[in-house]
Amino acid sequence: DGGITQSPKYLFRKEGQNVTLSCEQNLNHDAMYWYRQDPGQGLRLIYYSHIVNDFQKGDIAEGYSVSREKKESFPLTVTSAQKNPTAFYLCASTLGESAGEKLFFGSGTQLSVL
Amino acid sequence: AQTVTQSQPEMSVQEAETVTLSCTYDTSESDYYLFWYKQPPSRQMILVIRQEAYKQQNATENRFSVNFQKAAKSFSLKISDSQLGDAAMYFCAYRREAGNKLVFGAGTILRVKS
Repeated sequence: DGGITQSPKYLFRKEGQNVTLSCEQNLNHDAMYWYRQDPGQGLRLIYYSHIVNDFQKGDIAEGYSVSREKKESFPLTVTSAQKNPTAFYLCASTLGESAGEKLFFGSGTQLSVL
Repeated sequence: AQTVTQSQPEMSVQEAETVTLSCTYDTSESDYYLFWYKQPPSRQMILVIRQEAYKQQNATENRFSVNFQKAAKSFSLKISDSQLGDAAMYFCAYRREAGNKLVFGAGTILRVKS
């Protein structure tokens, strides 16, 4: 079945450590997105990519980095510069850039700080 | 900047009854899309319904319908014949035409009582 796979489901980060969240899709979608979800808040956009080898910052990109070397993969690295990384992270994709397109979401990664 | 406001942090409904979730948004655009997403306890985001701003007719998907008031910038979700499986967090979201960002509200927790 086609879909988006995020791993791991739970991740723990030590102080000063970089961690990478995986996002893989087999939907042949061009656009991919990373969102952060905090309790009591909606989802906020971290980074997005509409094509391979190109990506743009969202609203809260500081302390995060991404790469898009392959169409199906869009990993997110939470760097040590992100001082409050504890959150639920959701990866999503769309076939293209049309505003009306449905976002397909992964099942998320819960990141916690040790 | 576009903002989406959900003024009801929590709502409750009796099984088989009808409930309406509120959403208002702020934009200077004339073409855009509005969405309702559901996030059950599994935390998987599911698209409930989508509305194109240039369409006057309110969108309907089975038991789910919207009341879209463009001039008032209001986009409420009505759930008829509520079921236990409807219990979830519901997010209202906005995306402008040819835009790259889906802007989410803070969400409304819906509890369904049997």
